[in-house]
Amino acid sequence: QQQVRQSPQSLTVWEGETAILNCSYEDSTFNYFPWYQQFPGEGPALLISISSVSDKKEDGRFTIFFNKREKKLSLHITDSQPGDSATYFCAASPSSGSWQLIFGSGTQLTVMP
Amino acid sequence: EAAVTQSPRNKVAVTGGKVTLSCNQTNNHNNMYWYRQDTGHGLRLIHYSYGAGSTEKGDIPDGYKASRPSQENFSLILELATPSQTSVYFCASGDEGGVDAEQFFGPGTRLTVL
Repeated sequence: QQQVRQSPQSLTVWEGETAILNCSYEDSTFNYFPWYQQFPGEGPALLISISSVSDKKEDGRFTIFFNKREKKLSLHITDSQPGDSATYFCAASPSSGSWQLIFGSGTQLTVMP
Repeated sequence: EAAVTQSPRNKVAVTGGKVTLSCNQTNNHNNMYWYRQDTGHGLRLIHYSYGAGSTEKGDIPDGYKASRPSQENFSLILELATPSQTSVYFCASGDEGGVDAEQFFGPGTRLTVL
């Protein structure tokens, strides 16, 4: 049973468009949500993260929107570039101070030039 | 610069054989992790460690052992490899948990069990 779900499984957008990647979770004790970016042949790397006390986190073209009541979050990538083509993983940390991350199954993003 | 390295990068093993995957980190992190990545499943935690000498079971430990002989090194051991263990394996290191805790991943090892 997956505790962190992502959709869509794959997404294709044109260069310059906004890509929206979705994530939902089940456990209300989760309070930290990082997004990891993975390029082919490499390990995942932290892209941006948000804690449950915030409803929005922005870093350049990347923005996380968080809805605690609905247990949903989304990653918006504005002005998408071909170099953003990668797999994006949403993850959740069970509780404050925990070392453990639970990963979703990922969204494969392709940005067409 | 955080650095996690893995060896080998690619491995072909036979069913029933023993396989050892190695990981080294120069981050001086206490925590280290082994994940496997399969299409449709994302990253799943196999074993983890809080420091030298400690190993703990993750979510899918069956068929795997782990060893943490030092702060820097963490190994994953498949005593009797099976085709179902064909996957890409990632090692990671990280600081203590909490908000903004980050895990640093190695480049992965692609294991094929024939």
